[in-house]
Amino acid sequence: DTEVTQTPKHLVMGMTNKKSLKCEQHMGHRAMYWYKQKAKKPPELMFVYSYEKLSINESVPSRFSPECPNSSLLNLHLHALQPEDSALYLCASSQGGKMTSRTRPGELFFGEGSRLTVL
Amino acid sequence: GEDVEQSLFLSVREGDSSVINCTYTDSSSTYLYWYKQEPGAGLQLLTYIFSNMDMKQDQRLTVLLNKKDKHLSLRIADTQTGDSAIYFCAEILDQAGTALIFGKGTTLSVSS
Repeated sequence: DTEVTQTPKHLVMGMTNKKSLKCEQHMGHRAMYWYKQKAKKPPELMFVYSYEKLSINESVPSRFSPECPNSSLLNLHLHALQPEDSALYLCASSQGGKMTSRTRPGELFFGEGSRLTVL
Repeated sequence: GEDVEQSLFLSVREGDSSVINCTYTDSSSTYLYWYKQEPGAGLQLLTYIFSNMDMKQDQRLTVLLNKKDKHLSLRIADTQTGDSAIYFCAEILDQAGTALIFGKGTTLSVSS
């Protein structure tokens, strides 16, 4: 299984709603990521979890709240979002840990994304 | 953070070679990467190059690295319509090597 599965594929929410995006991988990877991608733009890193601990938070507003319940799952909780938060949210995973000669560093496996529209 | 620069568009005919260029920011980057994103999909790693290499060839793909100028290029030989996609170069953000920063992306359009 070399897939990263994201649900839902599409989400429309109002500015007062609370919703969650979910991501799952069964490759035994220990690093998981959330990226945000606007149309015609590169993915922007939001959060990195390494061994289920938040290791990087790229100054993301608190209306986005990540959670890593276990090594296979990554959630992104959404609350009081703004229309400008509409984007494709990509989850990724990688082997994680220190780079060694046996790891392929920087190889992130991406899901197909959750397309979020905030009205 | 600083930007990883790429030209935004490239249009080629089927069978021609494509060359996509990238200027990265951190001269201490140990690995540099090329990712491909097809419409409606996530990103997929195409190839990578270690910083002590000048060139890496992988079937139709050739990566060239000029560390002095911090310039990376991806050459696709015999470009096919299925190569139409957005191509991102990327470098590692942190010392632990756990996160990537992507360039702006080059949209490659291949016409038959």
